[in-house]
Amino acid sequence: GESVGLHLPTLSVQEGDNSIINCAYSNSASDYFIWYKQESGKGPQFIIDIRSNMDKRQGQRVTVLLNKTVKHLSLQIAATQPGDSAVYFCAENSAAGNKLTFGGGTRVLVKP
Amino acid sequence: NAGVMQNPRHLVRRRGQEARLRCSPMKGHSHVYWYRQLPEEGLKFMVYLQKENIIDESGMPKERFSAEFPKEGPSILRIQQVVRGDSAAYFCASSPAGPGGQPQHFGDGTRLSIL
Repeated sequence: GESVGLHLPTLSVQEGDNSIINCAYSNSASDYFIWYKQESGKGPQFIIDIRSNMDKRQGQRVTVLLNKTVKHLSLQIAATQPGDSAVYFCAENSAAGNKLTFGGGTRVLVKP
Repeated sequence: NAGVMQNPRHLVRRRGQEARLRCSPMKGHSHVYWYRQLPEEGLKFMVYLQKENIIDESGMPKERFSAEFPKEGPSILRIQQVVRGDSAAYFCASSPAGPGGQPQHFGDGTRLSIL
């Protein structure tokens, strides 16, 4: 039978390598995007955000890229560390909206 | 600065009982949001409140669920006559202004288990 819930896609990365996590969104009206990191037993932790008038934004070791043409968002983590192991979610909102819409999440496993 | 505080962290209830989940937003934040998360899934929006007002409850079931954010005290998510399907993690988030263009900051959730 069909299982309830989805198994998260997993990205295995060697420590020190760069990670790229992808996210597709569906709402053309979305104009604000956020990446969150969620560790086991904890709430989502804000990483970085980007507005639709930008296509790239950099933080500390992280870069978010936004391609509005194909409705695609990515998060790049430079020099991935063991502490980066977590589930990563993208979320979208619109200036007129009242809620964040979350993507399905990607589990990142960092191998020593 | 204290972050978003949720309590209890774990709550066990029997079918038919009531569950009350509490959320204190970050200092200076007057906008509160509740989300629900099933294992291995993303968070699903339930309700958005400002002080004493429900702004958007489009994600909340019409029956058994209610939310409030009184002038004084924490926001409360209340689930009456709980059923097994209510078992989930419930997260609260807050922001200093409305949701458009503002990051929401999350608490560590309440894990509700229904026996």
